[in-house]
Amino acid sequence: AQTVTQSQPEMSVQEAETVTLSCTYDTSESDYYLFWYKQPPSRQMILVIRQEAYKQQNATENRFSVNFQKAAKSFSLKISDSQLGDAAMYFCAYRSRNRDDKIIFGKGTRLHILP
Amino acid sequence: KAGVTQTPRYLIKTRGQQVTLSCSPISGHRSVSWYQQTPGQGLQFLFEYFSETQRNKGNFPGRFSGRQFSNSRSEMNVSTLELGDSALYLCASLGGQYGSEAFFGQGTRLTVV
Repeated sequence: AQTVTQSQPEMSVQEAETVTLSCTYDTSESDYYLFWYKQPPSRQMILVIRQEAYKQQNATENRFSVNFQKAAKSFSLKISDSQLGDAAMYFCAYRSRNRDDKIIFGKGTRLHILP
Repeated sequence: KAGVTQTPRYLIKTRGQQVTLSCSPISGHRSVSWYQQTPGQGLQFLFEYFSETQRNKGNFPGRFSGRQFSNSRSEMNVSTLELGDSALYLCASLGGQYGSEAFFGQGTRLTVV
Protein backbone atom coordinates (compact mmCIF):
# COMPACT_ATOMS: atom_id res chain seq x y z
CA ALA A 1 0.00 0.00 0.00
CA GLN A 2 1.11 3.51 -0.72
CA THR A 3 2.19 5.72 2.16
CA VAL A 4 3.17 9.36 2.50
CA THR A 5 5.49 10.53 5.27
CA GLN A 6 6.16 14.05 6.45
CA SER A 7 8.88 13.87 9.07
CA GLN A 8 8.66 17.48 10.26
CA PRO A 9 5.56 18.07 12.40
CA GLU A 10 6.43 21.77 12.80
CA MET A 11 8.78 24.26 11.25
CA SER A 12 9.49 27.95 11.62
CA VAL A 13 11.00 30.41 9.20
CA GLN A 14 11.77 34.10 9.32
CA GLU A 15 9.67 36.30 7.07
CA ALA A 16 11.31 36.79 3.64
CA GLU A 17 13.52 33.72 4.12
CA THR A 18 13.33 30.39 2.30
CA VAL A 19 12.07 27.17 3.84
CA THR A 20 11.90 23.58 2.59
CA LEU A 21 9.29 21.08 3.73
CA SER A 22 10.12 17.40 3.32
CA CYS A 23 7.97 14.56 2.07
CA THR A 24 8.74 10.98 1.20
CA TYR A 25 6.38 8.40 -0.18
CA ASP A 26 6.31 4.73 -0.89
CA THR A 27 4.74 3.16 -3.94
CA SER A 28 5.37 0.35 -6.37
CA GLU A 29 3.71 2.26 -9.19
CA SER A 30 5.54 4.27 -11.81
CA ASP A 31 2.82 6.68 -12.86
CA TYR A 32 1.22 8.93 -10.29
CA TYR A 33 0.63 12.48 -9.12
CA LEU A 34 2.05 14.28 -6.13
CA PHE A 35 0.53 17.35 -4.52
CA TRP A 36 1.16 19.88 -1.83
CA TYR A 37 -1.90 21.29 -0.11
CA LYS A 38 -2.06 24.21 2.29
CA GLN A 39 -4.58 24.45 5.12
CA PRO A 40 -4.64 27.85 6.84
CA PRO A 41 -6.53 28.46 10.10
CA SER A 42 -9.68 29.05 8.04
CA ARG A 43 -9.57 25.25 7.40
CA GLN A 44 -9.93 25.55 3.61
CA MET A 45 -7.56 23.12 1.95
CA ILE A 46 -5.93 24.78 -1.05
CA LEU A 47 -3.86 23.11 -3.74
CA VAL A 48 -0.41 24.71 -3.82
CA ILE A 49 1.37 22.72 -6.48
CA ARG A 50 1.10 19.51 -8.49
CA GLN A 51 3.73 17.24 -10.02
CA GLU A 52 3.22 14.46 -12.55
CA ALA A 53 5.61 11.59 -11.94
CA TYR A 54 6.38 11.13 -15.63
CA LYS A 55 7.68 14.69 -15.86
CA GLN A 56 11.30 15.13 -14.86
CA GLN A 57 11.04 18.89 -14.64
CA ASN A 58 10.21 20.18 -11.19
CA ALA A 59 6.93 22.08 -10.91
CA THR A 60 6.93 25.74 -9.88
CA GLU A 61 4.15 28.13 -8.96
CA ASN A 62 5.40 31.63 -8.22
CA ARG A 63 7.25 31.43 -4.86
CA PHE A 64 6.54 27.72 -4.50
CA SER A 65 8.66 25.03 -6.13
CA VAL A 66 9.28 21.36 -5.61
CA ASN A 67 12.30 19.10 -5.69
CA PHE A 68 11.02 15.82 -7.09
CA GLN A 69 13.41 12.89 -6.81
CA LYS A 70 11.58 9.91 -8.26
CA ALA A 71 14.22 7.29 -7.54
CA ALA A 72 14.49 8.43 -3.94
CA LYS A 73 10.70 8.83 -3.68
CA SER A 74 11.15 12.29 -2.29
CA PHE A 75 9.00 15.34 -2.95
CA SER A 76 9.99 18.46 -1.02
CA LEU A 77 8.36 21.88 -1.18
CA LYS A 78 10.43 25.05 -1.21
CA ILE A 79 8.81 28.33 -0.27
CA SER A 80 10.85 31.38 -1.22
CA ASP A 81 10.46 34.87 0.24
CA SER A 82 8.17 33.55 2.99
CA GLN A 83 5.21 35.74 3.85
CA LEU A 84 2.99 35.89 6.93
CA GLY A 85 0.14 34.51 4.84
CA ASP A 86 2.12 31.34 4.24
CA ALA A 87 1.57 30.28 7.85
CA ALA A 88 -0.52 27.12 7.64
CA MET A 89 -0.55 23.35 7.80
CA TYR A 90 1.01 21.84 4.67
CA PHE A 91 0.06 18.39 3.47
CA CYS A 92 1.90 16.27 0.97
CA ALA A 93 -0.38 13.96 -1.02
CA TYR A 94 -0.14 11.12 -3.52
CA ARG A 95 -2.54 9.76 -6.07
CA SER A 96 -2.04 6.92 -8.49
CA ARG A 97 -2.66 7.70 -12.13
CA ASN A 98 -5.32 5.04 -11.91
CA ARG A 99 -8.24 7.41 -11.53
CA ASP A 100 -10.14 4.95 -9.39
CA ASP A 101 -7.61 5.32 -6.60
CA LYS A 102 -7.92 7.56 -3.59
CA ILE A 103 -5.65 10.44 -2.61
CA ILE A 104 -3.33 9.60 0.27
CA PHE A 105 -2.19 12.39 2.57
CA GLY A 106 0.75 12.76 4.89
CA LYS A 107 0.16 13.90 8.47
CA GLY A 108 1.16 17.46 7.69
CA THR A 109 3.77 20.03 8.67
CA ARG A 110 2.73 23.14 10.56
CA LEU A 111 4.65 26.12 9.25
CA HIS A 112 5.12 29.21 11.41
CA ILE A 113 6.30 32.49 9.89
CA LEU A 114 8.26 34.69 12.27
CA PRO A 115 7.95 38.46 11.65
CA LYS B 1 -17.44 28.88 -10.78
CA ALA B 2 -18.70 28.22 -7.26
CA GLY B 3 -16.48 26.11 -5.04
CA VAL B 4 -17.30 23.05 -3.00
CA THR B 5 -20.03 23.78 -0.49
CA GLN B 6 -20.41 21.88 2.75
CA THR B 7 -23.27 22.27 5.16
CA PRO B 8 -23.56 22.76 8.01
CA ARG B 9 -20.27 24.38 9.03
CA TYR B 10 -20.62 23.45 12.68
CA LEU B 11 -22.61 20.77 14.45
CA ILE B 12 -22.94 19.62 18.04
CA LYS B 13 -24.52 16.24 18.66
CA THR B 14 -24.98 13.91 21.61
CA ARG B 15 -23.56 10.41 21.83
CA GLY B 16 -25.88 7.89 20.26
CA GLN B 17 -27.47 10.33 17.85
CA GLN B 18 -27.02 10.26 14.12
CA VAL B 19 -25.91 13.03 11.81
CA THR B 20 -26.05 13.82 8.11
CA LEU B 21 -23.54 16.09 6.40
CA SER B 22 -23.98 17.52 2.94
CA CYS B 23 -21.54 18.36 0.16
CA SER B 24 -22.17 20.04 -3.18
CA PRO B 25 -19.21 19.65 -5.55
CA ILE B 26 -18.01 22.10 -8.14
CA SER B 27 -20.36 22.21 -11.09
CA GLY B 28 -19.37 19.57 -13.62
CA HIS B 29 -17.37 17.47 -11.16
CA ARG B 30 -18.77 13.98 -10.81
CA SER B 31 -16.51 12.60 -8.11
CA VAL B 32 -16.82 13.41 -4.42
CA SER B 33 -14.54 12.19 -1.64
CA TRP B 34 -14.95 12.46 2.10
CA TYR B 35 -12.19 12.72 4.69
CA GLN B 36 -12.13 12.80 8.46
CA GLN B 37 -9.49 15.11 9.94
CA THR B 38 -8.39 14.85 13.56
CA PRO B 39 -5.27 16.22 15.27
CA GLY B 40 -3.96 12.75 16.05
CA GLN B 41 -4.75 10.87 12.85
CA GLY B 42 -4.51 13.58 10.23
CA LEU B 43 -6.64 13.17 7.12
CA GLN B 44 -8.26 9.78 6.84
CA PHE B 45 -10.12 8.72 3.75
CA LEU B 46 -13.75 7.73 4.28
CA PHE B 47 -15.16 7.04 0.82
CA GLU B 48 -15.41 8.28 -2.72
CA TYR B 49 -18.41 8.44 -5.00
CA PHE B 50 -18.47 8.75 -8.75
CA SER B 51 -21.69 9.03 -10.72
CA GLU B 52 -23.78 7.84 -7.75
CA THR B 53 -21.59 4.75 -7.19
CA GLN B 54 -19.18 4.22 -4.34
CA ARG B 55 -15.86 3.37 -5.94
CA ASN B 56 -13.55 3.51 -2.92
CA LYS B 57 -13.98 3.00 0.77
CA GLY B 58 -11.64 3.58 3.69
CA ASN B 59 -11.30 1.62 6.90
CA PHE B 60 -14.19 3.01 8.89
CA PRO B 61 -16.96 1.09 10.67
CA GLY B 62 -20.31 0.57 9.04
CA ARG B 63 -21.75 3.45 11.10
CA PHE B 64 -20.24 5.70 8.46
CA SER B 65 -22.13 5.67 5.20
CA GLY B 66 -22.65 7.92 2.25
CA ARG B 67 -24.47 8.39 -0.98
CA GLN B 68 -24.40 10.53 -4.05
CA PHE B 69 -27.34 11.92 -5.95
CA SER B 70 -27.84 12.34 -9.67
CA ASN B 71 -26.83 16.01 -9.42
CA SER B 72 -23.50 14.87 -7.86
CA ARG B 73 -24.36 16.25 -4.43
CA SER B 74 -23.27 13.87 -1.72
CA GLU B 75 -24.33 13.16 1.83
CA MET B 76 -22.44 11.44 4.59
CA ASN B 77 -24.24 9.84 7.49
CA VAL B 78 -22.87 8.74 10.83
CA SER B 79 -25.14 6.70 13.05
CA THR B 80 -24.82 5.99 16.78
CA LEU B 81 -22.32 8.77 17.30
CA GLU B 82 -19.35 8.23 19.59
CA LEU B 83 -17.13 10.82 21.26
CA GLY B 84 -14.30 9.76 18.97
CA ASP B 85 -16.28 10.85 15.93
CA SER B 86 -15.62 14.48 16.85
CA ALA B 87 -13.61 15.79 13.93
CA LEU B 88 -13.49 18.05 10.94
CA TYR B 89 -15.17 16.34 7.99
CA LEU B 90 -13.88 17.48 4.64
CA CYS B 91 -15.45 16.91 1.29
CA ALA B 92 -13.55 17.22 -1.96
CA SER B 93 -14.59 17.12 -5.58
CA LEU B 94 -12.13 15.87 -8.15
CA GLY B 95 -11.34 17.83 -11.25
CA GLY B 96 -8.56 19.86 -12.74
CA GLN B 97 -6.52 19.10 -15.83
CA TYR B 98 -6.30 15.36 -15.26
CA GLY B 99 -9.32 14.87 -13.06
CA SER B 100 -7.03 14.08 -10.16
CA GLU B 101 -6.90 17.33 -8.24
CA ALA B 102 -9.02 17.51 -5.11
CA PHE B 103 -10.87 20.77 -4.52
CA PHE B 104 -11.98 20.98 -0.91
CA GLY B 105 -14.88 22.54 0.89
CA GLN B 106 -14.44 24.36 4.19
CA GLY B 107 -15.50 21.35 6.15
CA THR B 108 -18.04 20.56 8.82
CA ARG B 109 -16.80 20.68 12.40
CA LEU B 110 -18.65 17.93 14.28
CA THR B 111 -18.52 17.86 18.06
CA VAL B 112 -19.99 14.90 19.89
CA VAL B 113 -20.75 15.45 23.58
